[in-house]
Amino acid sequence: LAKTTQPISMDSYEGQEVNITCSHNNIATNDYITWYQQFPSQGPRFIIQGYKTKVTNEVASLFIPADRKSSTLSLPRVSLSDTAVYYCLVGDGSSGTYKYIFGTGTRLKVLA
Amino acid sequence: EADIYQTPRYLVIGTGKKITLECSQTMGHDKMYWYQQDPGMELHLIHYSYGVNSTEKGDLSSESTVSRIRTEHFPLTLESARPSHTSQYLCASSDGGKGPNEKLFFGSGTQLSVL
Repeated sequence: LAKTTQPISMDSYEGQEVNITCSHNNIATNDYITWYQQFPSQGPRFIIQGYKTKVTNEVASLFIPADRKSSTLSLPRVSLSDTAVYYCLVGDGSSGTYKYIFGTGTRLKVLA
Repeated sequence: EADIYQTPRYLVIGTGKKITLECSQTMGHDKMYWYQQDPGMELHLIHYSYGVNSTEKGDLSSESTVSRIRTEHFPLTLESARPSHTSQYLCASSDGGKGPNEKLFFGSGTQLSVL
């Protein structure tokens, strides 16, 4: 069962770049790494997904080293509206099905 | 933008009542999920389905039941609500079938309060 470990919380100031690192030592060969963002009283929202190296979209970048045992979500120039919980997930293919397991996530607070 | 809808958005109900939380998606996704989340806590998978007439229990034991008679509809039912069922219930669907790079699309959730 591929599990992830993230910092419980982080604080940042507006305009700064925020990097959230996730450990997933037991990631399987076919697993992808996916990050979600959740605002209070809402369902999580997909941010970015990757398999290796670097992925970038209009919202964030995802850095994955060669051993894939960790990944880093990078949010450029955060604003107050980026205050949310960020979840790192890896696909759980251990039983032949893909049940995404959410951990506790990282609670990011952006300060003015 | 994902088209997955949950109703009601908020529900306050008395102990012992039977309730059904509705979840519908218009994306034609085969895989659907129910998660339960308490305030400030992690999401727990309670049910999932890989298609019509397919339902499985998740990793967190739940007294709720689900059905999947139509692809677009995945309702969750509590036969007799109790205060311990008070929580947020999140429905999701997936676009990836059984592939490793699937993405989950979530509804806005139902906040259930049982008095």
